Amino acid sequence: SQQGEEDPQALSIQEGENATMNCSYKTSINNLQWYRQNSGRGLVHLILIRSNEREKHSGRLRVTLDTSKKSSSLLITASRAADTASYFCATDEVSRGSTLGRLYFGRGTQLTVWP
Amino acid sequence: KAGVTQTPRYLIKTRGQQVTLSCSPISGHRSVSWYQQTPGQGLQFLFEYFSETQRNKGNFPGRFSGRQFSNSRSEMNVSTLELGDSALYLCASSLMGQDGRQNGYTFGSGTRLTVV
Repeated sequence: SQQGEEDPQALSIQEGENATMNCSYKTSINNLQWYRQNSGRGLVHLILIRSNEREKHSGRLRVTLDTSKKSSSLLITASRAADTASYFCATDEVSRGSTLGRLYFGRGTQLTVWP
Repeated sequence: KAGVTQTPRYLIKTRGQQVTLSCSPISGHRSVSWYQQTPGQGLQFLFEYFSETQRNKGNFPGRFSGRQFSNSRSEMNVSTLELGDSALYLCASSLMGQDGRQNGYTFGSGTRLTVV
């Protein structure tokens, strides 16, 4: 079963605009991660935010985490055509404080950036 | 350093056959996980291995099995293939931090399995 759910399912913007994707999850987590996938290829890890963090930056990426609302957002600033991909949020499974080596993925947001 | 290597990249099998997929994690990574990705079900967790032990298993039938070797390389096997097993199979490795916390997964490019 999936824990994370991304919103929107699809997003289409022009180059230079900002793209915001949201993720909601259901249970307690140790961390939340965002991944990117180009068509039919492997996932690329973008950023990990721990449950005691509220915001994190990496280059043009900004991730927020609100554990009270069980939600996260990924902001890509000044988007480029090369950012076109599917973006997934993934959460771990909390059990007796361990991660148990498993991630729950949402269905993803398909981002299209037009030149 | 080399990334996660999955072989083969593409595979076509017929129903009823069995298949073995291979995954070589990043050097030093002891945790290896397997996922199945399909358009209908999305990314589904298969199992995870750490130091040759299966720590966690997803909700897949017993036809799906795996193992991990002492060098952390992992294989997964699917027996009696069904059409619905057609999918992208992804392997991921992770380095556990000194505090025991995970630091994100590195995924391989996947094996595209087509069952005809």
